[in-house]
Amino acid sequence: QKEVEQDPGPLSVPEGAIVSLNCTYSNSAFQYFMWYRQYSRKGPELLMYTYSSGNKEDGRFTAQVDKSSKYISLFIRDSQPSDSATYLCAMSEDGGTSYGKLTFGQGTILTVHP
Amino acid sequence: DAGITQSPRHKVTETGTPVTLRCHQTENHRYMYWYRQDPGHGLRLIHYSYGVKDTDKGEVSDGYSVSRSKTEDFLLTLESATSSQTSVYFCAANSGGSYEQYFGPGTRLTVT
Repeated sequence: QKEVEQDPGPLSVPEGAIVSLNCTYSNSAFQYFMWYRQYSRKGPELLMYTYSSGNKEDGRFTAQVDKSSKYISLFIRDSQPSDSATYLCAMSEDGGTSYGKLTFGQGTILTVHP
Repeated sequence: DAGITQSPRHKVTETGTPVTLRCHQTENHRYMYWYRQDPGHGLRLIHYSYGVKDTDKGEVSDGYSVSRSKTEDFLLTLESATSSQTSVYFCAANSGGSYEQYFGPGTRLTVT
């Protein structure tokens, strides 16, 4: 079993839809949680970054972390065709020898059609 | 692009040949990383560096070595390329006190 599980999709939605992307994980030591967006043939770019449990909102994007369930989510409101990309969750333990070691999910391919 | 460049961007090589990929950053980041990305596996850490001449292994380090002689450059070497090393390689970097990493554009490597 992988340490981080992410449904690879693909996920296809109409423009304007609310999109929900999710990851589950097994390592209870994970404290830092990130979402990256990756356009085709490009490097991943950081979208959201949260520490421990709770919600974080940035424009149309909301990240949620539920550490008790080992479950994180990314919501995209009013989705646009420009949101079409692969979304990767990533997480890390807190410092020490684990500093900088991100564990990624497999990525979910999202297509938003006009 | 977070000031990270990778070279070459594309490379085709034959089994058994050595290959070196270069990562260059202009933001004076202390930490640098090499990942490979394959379908169904997401990004997996190969090696990382926490300072000049300080490196350590990641999850999938077999068959790879790294060197960092200057803050701005991090080299990944495939000592004897195999077909299983056909992949897209990404370099990333960050600074102390921050867990988010910034990625380069990637190198697409094909081993025939």
